[in-house]
Amino acid sequence: NAGVMQNPRHLVRRRGQEARLRCSPMKGHSHVYWYRQLPEEGLKFMVYLQKENIIDESGMPKERFSAEFPKEGPSILRIQQVVRGDSAAYFCASSQVWDGSYEQYFGPGTRLTVT
Amino acid sequence: QKEVEQNSGPLSVPEGAIASLNCTYSDRGSQSFFWYRQYSGKSPELIMFIYSNGDKEDGRFTAQLNKASQYVSLLIRDSQPSDSATYLCAAYNTNAGKSTFGDGTTLTVKP
Repeated sequence: NAGVMQNPRHLVRRRGQEARLRCSPMKGHSHVYWYRQLPEEGLKFMVYLQKENIIDESGMPKERFSAEFPKEGPSILRIQQVVRGDSAAYFCASSQVWDGSYEQYFGPGTRLTVT
Repeated sequence: QKEVEQNSGPLSVPEGAIASLNCTYSDRGSQSFFWYRQYSGKSPELIMFIYSNGDKEDGRFTAQLNKASQYVSLLIRDSQPSDSATYLCAAYNTNAGKSTFGDGTTLTVKP
C-alpha cells in the first residue's frame, strides 16, 4: 500500500514565479491536509480538503495561496508570485476519517526555496 | 497561550533511560491525540495515537492521556540513540476535523 506521495521533493523558484506542489493521498484516503514548516519551527496547518471541497482553509494566507483536491488526480497547493518568506517545507498528510480513526499520515514533503 | 504546548527542550537522557515527553492542550473539543517523531530534514512519522483516558502501550512507547487535566504524555523506555529526534504532539478536534500541532520537543539520547 503506497504511502502519501508528494512531488516535487525540491522546488526552486525565483521571486514572482508560481509554485505548484502536488500530493497524492494514501490509497483509500479521501481527506488531505497541507502544512507548512519553516526552518526550526513547528508545523502550521494551512488547509483541509476532501474531494472537490475545501473544508477548512483558516491557515491559508489570504493572498497568493490556493489549494484544490479535484475528483480525479492529486491535491494541488498553488503559490502565486512567490516571495522569499515562502521558502519552507510543505507537507501533505492524508487520513480516512471514520468513527474511531483519525490518524494522519504524512508525505515526504516538498522543500521550496525562493531565490 | 498556544493551543498545544510542549516543552521545547532540548531534553537529554542517557541511553537506556526513560524519556518523558509532555504536552498540554487548551481545546476541550479535542478528542484524539497523536505523537509524531520527526528526524531532522524528514517528514513527521506517526508513532502513537490515543483516544481514551489512561495508558496505551506499544513496544517501548507508552502514551498517557488525562482529559480532565488536558494533558498527554509519551514515555520512551530503554531510550536508544536512534530515538534522538523532535517529537510532535497533535490534538484532533473531531467536529472541526483539524489537528493542531505543538512546536515539538527535541530529544537527544546520549550513548
